[in-house]
Amino acid sequence: EIVLTQSPTTMAASPGEKVTITCRASSSVSYMYWYQQMSDASPKLWIYDTSKLASGVPDRFSGSGSGTSYSLTINTMEAEDAATYYCQQCCSTPPTFGAGTKLELK
Amino acid sequence: QVQLKESGPGLVQPSQTLSLTCTVSGFSLTRYNVHWVRQPTGKGLEWMGVIWTGGSTDYNSALKSRLSISRDTSKSQVFLKMNSLQTEDIATYYCAREKGYYGNIFDYWGQGVMVTVSS
Repeated sequence: EIVLTQSPTTMAASPGEKVTITCRASSSVSYMYWYQQMSDASPKLWIYDTSKLASGVPDRFSGSGSGTSYSLTINTMEAEDAATYYCQQCCSTPPTFGAGTKLELK
Repeated sequence: QVQLKESGPGLVQPSQTLSLTCTVSGFSLTRYNVHWVRQPTGKGLEWMGVIWTGGSTDYNSALKSRLSISRDTSKSQVFLKMNSLQTEDIATYYCAREKGYYGNIFDYWGQGVMVTVSS
């Protein structure tokens, strides 16, 4: 199965700061998907097809990458962005998730 | 609107069988695939399996020998049964709808049901 390695595991950012979370795949994937999970809530699809924002996602978020290296970027951190973010690959069975990056507000 | 809701016992004895129900509304099980994903407390997400629109299923090979997914389309319900539960199976269990025209991407999730394994 494809293993997804996220970094960092945990990070803290100040309001207005730029944030980048990376996801490396053990084998090349065509697209990467990202979910946001707030504490004690279900995951929400956040970014799909590597760079498309799901409905309602603020445009300060962006996604990029190809092959085995992908990233999620927040242009300017806001308090409401504090959450855990998971990357996911869809298309090699089984679908797999990264271990998550917990983003805290500094 | 689209909703999924998991239900089932929160406590299962070791070696016993877990039975969960996912009741969906706002879409048809014959038009959208439904998956099960679990999350141990404080840990990451693990895909368990899927029931396709046609009724066939696929499972994570790590769980395949213990897992069964079925459905009742007339009741808009998907069922998960997993036997021989152990403490490693303690987790929140989610059902999730597959995003249309995408494989294995989940656009709607249930609230999850926390399952503990203990005697």
